[in-house]
Parts: sequence; structure tokens; C-alpha cells
Amino acid sequence: DTAVSQTPKYLVTQMGNDKSIKCEQNLGHDTMYWYKQDSKKFLKIMFSYNNKELIINETVPNRFSPKSPDKAHLNLHINSLELGDSAVYFCASSQALGALNTEAFFGQGTRLTVV
Amino acid sequence: AQSVTQPDIHITVSEGASLELRCNYSYGATPYLFWYVQSPGQGLQLLLKYFSGDTLVQGIKGFEAEFKRSQSSFNLRKPSVHWSDAAEYFCAVGAAGGGNKLTFGTGTQLKVEL
Repeated sequence: DTAVSQTPKYLVTQMGNDKSIKCEQNLGHDTMYWYKQDSKKFLKIMFSYNNKELIINETVPNRFSPKSPDKAHLNLHINSLELGDSAVYFCASSQALGALNTEAFFGQGTRLTVV
Repeated sequence: AQSVTQPDIHITVSEGASLELRCNYSYGATPYLFWYVQSPGQGLQLLLKYFSGDTLVQGIKGFEAEFKRSQSSFNLRKPSVHWSDAAEYFCAVGAAGGGNKLTFGTGTQLKVEL
């Protein structure tokens, strides 16, 4: 039973298109995240949501819009895709903000390729 | 702001040899420290974590790490490496006050020679 699941696993699309990546966690966590891993494998946080409320937005272009319909889901919508958006996007979740145990559980990643 | 440095981009060891991957962090308060492993094409799996208490922490797959506050380090060790340990290893620091975000190092790619 997958703890953090993302779909799709692979996504190939043309420049200018709009696409979404979905994420669901069944761990009962309050906090969810999107991380971006670039071609050099550097991981950087993009967004953090706590109980459907945006907590962190790390100067991500506004073409990226996260949406959290409930605390178990955090989707990422990307408008007007650019070549530089090609990366692996990881969803993660952890227990409540401020909790001593801040261990994050990661999904398998979505490899986005913009052509 | 917190930061993490992993000085070694690539490390190659022979199977059965010992391993130490270095990690240095910068954080103003008591850090929460993690090591994650990423196998090719896979997500990140937590190896071990340090929040408080005993500075030598044991993790999965025979890994351990030691927190040294004086050196701002959290090095990962394994006494005998197996070929299946070949992967990318990431050290990360977390901050409860910072929205629980993790700041990662640039990773160390481990190759294991048979």
C-alpha cells in the first residue's frame, strides 16, 4: 500500500502546454510538499502546504500553481511549459508543522520532459 | 538560512570495503538531520535521522551516522559496502520553524566495484 503516490510517473509534453501532476498520501499527515530535482540531481523545495494552506512558496514562477483539495492531496499544475521545466518532481508529506518528527516521506517522482 | 554541504560528488569503493560519506550543515538552532538514498529512477528512501539524544544513530541497511555539533557534521558510515548500495545519497537538514522544509545537499554518487 503506497504511502505517497504520484501520477503520472513519466510525462512528455511540448512547450507551451499545460499539465498537471497529482499526489496523494495515505499516512494521515498534515503537511505536503513539492520538490524539484534538476538534471544535476539537486533537490529544492517548491511548495509546502499544511492542512490545505500554503506555507512555503520558494520563489517559484507563477506558472506553477499547487492545489490542495484536502490534506491528503496536493496537485501541481504547470501552465505554458518551458524547456527549463524539465526535471523530476517529487511529492512528499510529513506530520504536522512544528512536530518534533519532521521526517518526510517521498513519492516515486514524476519525470517531466518538455520538448 | 540552513544549508548542507556534501563535499564529495562521486565516491567509488570496492565491495566489502568500509564507507564514509561526508555531510556538513549550517543551521542556527538544533538541526534535524537526515540521510536519504535514491536508487536510479527511484524516489528517496530515508536511511536514518537525528533529532536529539544519542549522537550515533542507526539506520536501515546497516548504515549509521554520527552527529558532531562541534564540527557541524553528520557523516554517514557503513562498515562493509554491498554492490546494491550503489546509489545517490543525500544529506538534508530540516527546520520545524521553517515550514518543515528540508534543505538538501548536492548529493554523493556512490559506485561499488565488484
